[in-house]
Amino acid sequence: GAVVSQHPSRVICKSGTSVKIECRSLDFQATTMFWYRQFPKQSLMLMATSNEGSKATYEQGVEKDKFLINHASLTLSTLTVTSAHPEDSSFYICSASPSTNSYNSPLHFGNGTRLTVT
Amino acid sequence: KQEVTQIPAALSVPEGENLVLNCSFTDSAIYNLQWFRQDPGKGLTSLLLIQSSQREQTSGRLNASLDKSSGRSTLYIAASQPGDSATYLCAVRGYSGGGADGLTFGKGTHLIIQP
Repeated sequence: GAVVSQHPSRVICKSGTSVKIECRSLDFQATTMFWYRQFPKQSLMLMATSNEGSKATYEQGVEKDKFLINHASLTLSTLTVTSAHPEDSSFYICSASPSTNSYNSPLHFGNGTRLTVT
Repeated sequence: KQEVTQIPAALSVPEGENLVLNCSFTDSAIYNLQWFRQDPGKGLTSLLLIQSSQREQTSGRLNASLDKSSGRSTLYIAASQPGDSATYLCAVRGYSGGGADGLTFGKGTHLIIQP
């Protein structure tokens, strides 16, 4: 149980275009989802916390108008990278927290999306 | 702001050796600490989760300890195998006034087990 599906796994796009990444909880409801970014040889950095039915909370230094997050249902959160540029090329990964999750339960991760902007 | 540090950054050992990976964190106000494995270009595989009230957790050849007061955790791998080669990530889950935060990760230890 507790499977998180993330699509696409890999995407290449041209500079200036927008890319949408989906994160789905397949067998549980997720009130909260987290989006992370990982640059080569760097740690995973939390970008934003996505809450179903409300606005996402962004970490300091993350542009909310560039990284649009929508969490319209309890099983789906989307991250849209708008007007992507080469410096946005990175590994994006989501994690989901079950609605019944206590803070002491593990978070479940998707397999990530490798974004390359040319 | 929470900071997580992992030492060493890289480690290469012969097959069969026991080894220890280290993790330290600056803010002891945490709910739990998780160790993950990440294979190249892949997502994360959760290995062990230690609650803030616990001292250690074991799964097979893996044992993780937690000393919350000193902000330290270790991951012990017994009888290492080539299949253990991966990057091992330590992450802590803290809390702010609004509830549980996402995880704060270390940069990882890149482990190579030589056949």
